[in-house]
Amino acid sequence: AQTVTQSQPEMSVQEAETVTLSCTYDTSESDYYLFWYKQPPSRQMILVIRQEAYKQQNATENRFSVNFQKAAKSFSLKISDSQLGDAAMYFCAYREVVGGTYKYIFGTGTRLKVLA
Amino acid sequence: KAGVTQTPRYLIKTRGQQVTLSCSPISGHRSVSWYQQTPGQGLQFLFEYFSETQRNKGNFPGRFSGRQFSNSRSEMNVSTLELGDSALYLCASSPRDGYNEQFFGPGTRLTVL
Repeated sequence: AQTVTQSQPEMSVQEAETVTLSCTYDTSESDYYLFWYKQPPSRQMILVIRQEAYKQQNATENRFSVNFQKAAKSFSLKISDSQLGDAAMYFCAYREVVGGTYKYIFGTGTRLKVLA
Repeated sequence: KAGVTQTPRYLIKTRGQQVTLSCSPISGHRSVSWYQQTPGQGLQFLFEYFSETQRNKGNFPGRFSGRQFSNSRSEMNVSTLELGDSALYLCASSPRDGYNEQFFGPGTRLTVL
């Protein structure tokens, strides 16, 4: 079974600085999707960024970018110019195809604290 | 468009009871997935419904069940509650099969005493 590992339970970053959250996954598939979701305290989970495995170019969304290393099965999230509103739980997720349907596998999350 | 809604938001039950949680997806969304979120375990996939059919099921005991109605609203039921069932239960919807994003609801916080 595919697995997603987030080895950093908690990270801290100073406001305006850059932080990188790590994620590794295990799969034998060649085509898949990877995601980073953000869950602010007591608020709904929202999509931050996604990456299609067949695309070599790293995805970017404003201050958020990924470093996708397909051979190493690594998918890290970089947050630039960190803001107080970035404080949240961040979940890395992998989407697999199961019998023609789709199933998401999530990591255990990284709690990001932003220090003023 | 209204987002994914879940009711109730908070629930307290005692061991041995059963509970039903409800999820209303975004209008037009046909796929609904359920997750259990606990500290240290992240999100564990429970099941996914599409057009009233359960298509995928996670590794949970048979006490956990669900269904989807013709209007895409979904319910999950947990029977014979155990202390370990205390968790945040999240529902997520997608407009169609293979869509590359899930839209999450606020969750139902279940506490089992």
